[in-house]
Amino acid sequence: GAVVSQHPSRVICKSGTSVKIECRSLDFQATTMFWYRQFPKQSLMLMATSNEGSKATYEQGVEKDKFLINHASLTLSTLTVTSAHPEDSSFYICSAAGERGANVLTFGAGSRLTVL
Amino acid sequence: QKEVEQDPGPLSVPEGAIVSLNCTYSNSAFQYFMWYRQYSRKGPELLMYTYSSGNKEDGRFTAQVDKSSKYISLFIRDSQPSDSATYLCAMRKNSGNTPLVFGKGTRLSVIA
Repeated sequence: GAVVSQHPSRVICKSGTSVKIECRSLDFQATTMFWYRQFPKQSLMLMATSNEGSKATYEQGVEKDKFLINHASLTLSTLTVTSAHPEDSSFYICSAAGERGANVLTFGAGSRLTVL
Repeated sequence: QKEVEQDPGPLSVPEGAIVSLNCTYSNSAFQYFMWYRQYSRKGPELLMYTYSSGNKEDGRFTAQVDKSSKYISLFIRDSQPSDSATYLCAMRKNSGNTPLVFGKGTRLSVIA
């Protein structure tokens, strides 16, 4: 089945540094990637939608200059958390349309970010 | 009112019990309905996918969608301790490149 590889699975960084999270679709082409954030005991909240070769669309309240999304190819999308602060500590998950057409989304395993 | 409402639980049942998980939603434009299972600190894993109203069965899992009531359910028969996880309902309006809207997730514990 469709697989989305996401890494790093866990990252700890100091406040003020930047962290890059990568998502790769391994056996299909993902024209669109969705980036979600999940706080403890909360649901997944959509942050942004990225389409290959164009600028990402951000949800209301998500700072586009803080969460930089690049989707330069059909198999790779990256999320960079710039100048991270402790309140950015969260579980970040990407997803892309799966091989059963565009009706089903496949999720990466998630990246747990802890900002000290 | 949130677009998707889901009781967060926690829900604790004995092994072998039938589990019923539910979500309600407010937007009649939703057409695609999914249930995901999420283990602690892992990404969501697709369990069931249903288009429009109706039932779908896969092994011990049955998904039901009632669009007239804006209500979806997931039933787990003969529940096992390995079913202990958080179950998230999710839905979307169109196929293609539209994101999923998730419920809050219900934390389920199946006690041996």
